[in-house]
Amino acid sequence: EVQLVESGGGLVQPGGSLRLSCSASGFTFSNFPIHWVRQAPGKGLEYVSAISSSGVSTYYADSVKGRFTISRDNSKNTLFLQMSSLRPEDTAVYYCVKCSSSYYYDSWGQGTLVTVSS
Amino acid sequence: ETVLTQSPATLSLSPGERAALSCRASQSVSSDLAWYQQKPGQAPRLLIYDASNRATGIPARFSGSGSGTDFTLTISSLEPEDFAVYYCQQRNNWPRTFGQGTKVDIK
Repeated sequence: EVQLVESGGGLVQPGGSLRLSCSASGFTFSNFPIHWVRQAPGKGLEYVSAISSSGVSTYYADSVKGRFTISRDNSKNTLFLQMSSLRPEDTAVYYCVKCSSSYYYDSWGQGTLVTVSS
Repeated sequence: ETVLTQSPATLSLSPGERAALSCRASQSVSSDLAWYQQKPGQAPRLLIYDASNRATGIPARFSGSGSGTDFTLTISSLEPEDFAVYYCQQRNNWPRTFGQGTKVDIK
């Protein structure tokens, strides 16, 4: 069974930093691209960032480009999202999402809440 | 960026009724479109991919159609567990984008 478990969320002040982790199991982690998708309270889904299976290619939404960095450690089946210069509008539940072989989101973690507030 | 517009925002129906949800893209996404279901407090679940293919374990009452810019998710006969929010999403180009969601609630 595919499992994705996010951690690292919490309360942070505007301008602060936070590092999210996603621990994966139940599939060959190094074979699949993984994305971060977020959802602000009471709002819809927003793509944040993506990383290729090897980690060589990365992609970002314009809203986080230059502030967030996605990375992965295939030896430890773990995905990361380093977030800096955080803003109140970054407040959301952050989901780690596995892509299927046809690049759709076929498995989701339970999410971790990031709150940016003074 | 490809904008996906879903309609209606809310659909109020009774169990057993048919639901038709629309997703319109600002530019062609070919058939590179998926539908997800999200229930309160839960992560989304993949229902349909490539516009018309049901994901593993999804009941046959869910079907998808369309290509290019106009897509439809149809639930043939609503079950109590189908009342939820539904999102469309495209993977044709970067950045990946989602529609704003359609809430299907009980009339």
